[in-house]
Amino acid sequence: AQSVTQLGSHVSVSEGALVLLRCNYSSSVPPYLFWYVQYPNQGLQLLLKYTSAATLVKGINGFEAEFKKSETSFHLTKPSAHMSDAAEYFCAVSDSGRDDKIIFGKGTRLHILP
Amino acid sequence: GAVVSQHPSRVICKSGTSVKIECRSLDFQATTMFWYRQFPKQSLMLMATSNEGSKATYEQGVEKDKFLINHASLTLSTLTVTSAHPEDSSFYICSALVTRGGETQYFGPGTRLLVL
Repeated sequence: AQSVTQLGSHVSVSEGALVLLRCNYSSSVPPYLFWYVQYPNQGLQLLLKYTSAATLVKGINGFEAEFKKSETSFHLTKPSAHMSDAAEYFCAVSDSGRDDKIIFGKGTRLHILP
Repeated sequence: GAVVSQHPSRVICKSGTSVKIECRSLDFQATTMFWYRQFPKQSLMLMATSNEGSKATYEQGVEKDKFLINHASLTLSTLTVTSAHPEDSSFYICSALVTRGGETQYFGPGTRLLVL
């Protein structure tokens, strides 16, 4: 069965600093991997998606993630944090390599310090 | 990207009543929609997969008679929480599956349900 583990339920970074949110996955088949962002009392917005093409995936709002099969990781990064990046971030994996059933991690709350 | 709406955004109801939540795909047709439940400060848990014109597929542990799902058209799926109880209070989020250009789920803004 597929699963994802997000390391750190809360991460704080200073404005302008590097953002690194960690995600490790477990999958018996080549996975599709996702990062979603959720702002308070809102639904989820897709940041980026890995679908077995390029291992470095660029998303919206300056975020990117790198798929590392050897490490079973899909960490999310952004070179310079902005106050508007404060939100909940979810890493997710899809079952059977399709986007029709997604398993979410527990989420990481990103805090941006002024 | 594709837009998914939910109505209502917030609802407060008395224990024992039923509440209907609508999920609409605004600019595309969705054969498949999903319903999730999110408890405070927790992740999304898939409740069921809603398929247009057929019965929904429920995840293990989700009561189908408690959470009625109807996907009567390609742009609308509804979730009805029947005989709601305080423990049903939660944030309910739907998503719609877009299949063109690869498969991607687009999420609605969510519905906050509070059962008194």
